Amino acid sequence: EVQLLESGGDLVQPGGSLRLSCAASGFTFSSNAMSWVRQAPGKGLEWVSVISGSGDSTYYTDSVKGRFTISRDNSKNKLYLQMNSLRAEDTAVYYCAKTLYGGVLHAFDIWGQGTMVTVSS
Amino acid sequence: EIVLTQSPDFQSVTPKGKVTITCRASQNIGSSLHWYQQKPDQSPKLLIKYGSQSISGVPPRFSGSGSGTDFTLTINSLEAEDAATYYCHQSSNLPDTFGGGTKVEIK
Repeated sequence: EVQLLESGGDLVQPGGSLRLSCAASGFTFSSNAMSWVRQAPGKGLEWVSVISGSGDSTYYTDSVKGRFTISRDNSKNKLYLQMNSLRAEDTAVYYCAKTLYGGVLHAFDIWGQGTMVTVSS
Repeated sequence: EIVLTQSPDFQSVTPKGKVTITCRASQNIGSSLHWYQQKPDQSPKLLIKYGSQSISGVPPRFSGSGSGTDFTLTINSLEAEDAATYYCHQSSNLPDTFGGGTKVEIK
């Protein structure tokens, strides 16, 4: 069964850091680009970042550029999101999502259950 | 950035009724438009890919149409389990963007 399992969400103070992880199973992890998508409480979906299957290419939404870093370890089937200089507006459920095909621009066919990040003093 | 405008924001429909949700893109995105269903406290689920392509395991009452800038998700013969929020998503250009969502309620 194809599965994604996020972890690492927590309550953190403004300006703090957090590292999210996403463990993948049931598919050839290195063959697919992976994204992070977030959802603020009671709000819609917002794409955050994507990384290619090889890890060579990464892209970010403007609001997190310079603060967040996406990475992956294909030997461990894991995706990561390092979040620095966190702000209140980063408070959200963070989902990892698998792209349907190999490129970075495709539908998301598998989503994790999400991990909650709360930025508050 | 490509803006996706979904309408309506909310729709209340009786069981066995029909739901039509539209998604308009701010520029031509070809067929790179996908639809998701999100039930309360659950993660999104892919319903339709590339405008009109069906997804294995998704009931046939869900269908999509459109290309270019105008797209439609149709739910025929609505069932109680279809109560959810529906989102469109474009993967034509980075950054990926989502529509604001349409909440469907069963009367």
